[in-house]
Amino acid sequence: DAKTTQPPSMDCAEGRAANLPCNHSTISGNEYVYWYRQIHSQGPQYIIHGLKNNETNEMASLIITEDRKSSTLILPHATLRDTAVYYCIVRVALGRGSTLGRLYFGRGTQLTVWP
Amino acid sequence: NAGVTQTPKFRILKIGQSMTLQCTQDMNHNYMYWYRQDPGMGLKLIYYSVGAGITDKGEVPNGYNVSRSTTEDFPLRLELAAPSQTSVYFCASSYSKGQGAYEQYFGPGTRLTVT
Repeated sequence: DAKTTQPPSMDCAEGRAANLPCNHSTISGNEYVYWYRQIHSQGPQYIIHGLKNNETNEMASLIITEDRKSSTLILPHATLRDTAVYYCIVRVALGRGSTLGRLYFGRGTQLTVWP
Repeated sequence: NAGVTQTPKFRILKIGQSMTLQCTQDMNHNYMYWYRQDPGMGLKLIYYSVGAGITDKGEVPNGYNVSRSTTEDFPLRLELAAPSQTSVYFCASSYSKGQGAYEQYFGPGTRLTVT
């Protein structure tokens, strides 16, 4: 399984950019990188995903290195409500030859945004 | 849309009791999942389903059973509750959006304590 490595915790001042790194050195060529976050024991929330190009949506930007062995999630203007555990996940194919991908959740990064 | 709903929100079981955790989604997603999350850990996949009548084991299936008789519902059954099953249980659903691209929508979770 392609797994990920993230720092256990980070902090960021409110209004500043939060840059969350992730290593996924064993990722395969057709595996996507996903980011989810979990706010205080709620259900995880999808943020963004990408394959090899950089991606941006209304929540965040995802920067994937050219060799695809690492990526960075960027929250451009962090707010107190962004305090959460952030999971970097590589989609792993499940069995039965299906295209359904399992999301392997590690421990994630606890991001604390302080005022 | 209500999204993914789970009942109950909280439950305390005695060792050896049984119960069913309910999960319903109204997004017409084919794929549904059950995860558990132990304190301070990431989510682990228990069972998943790619459509009505089709289920398969995930990473930690022992002690659980599932069924999928309709697209909307994916109940999780605990037959003989054990203290090791004390956890927060999340149900999720997803659809396929192009090759390898999809996002999972999570319910609010069921907090289960077995004593």
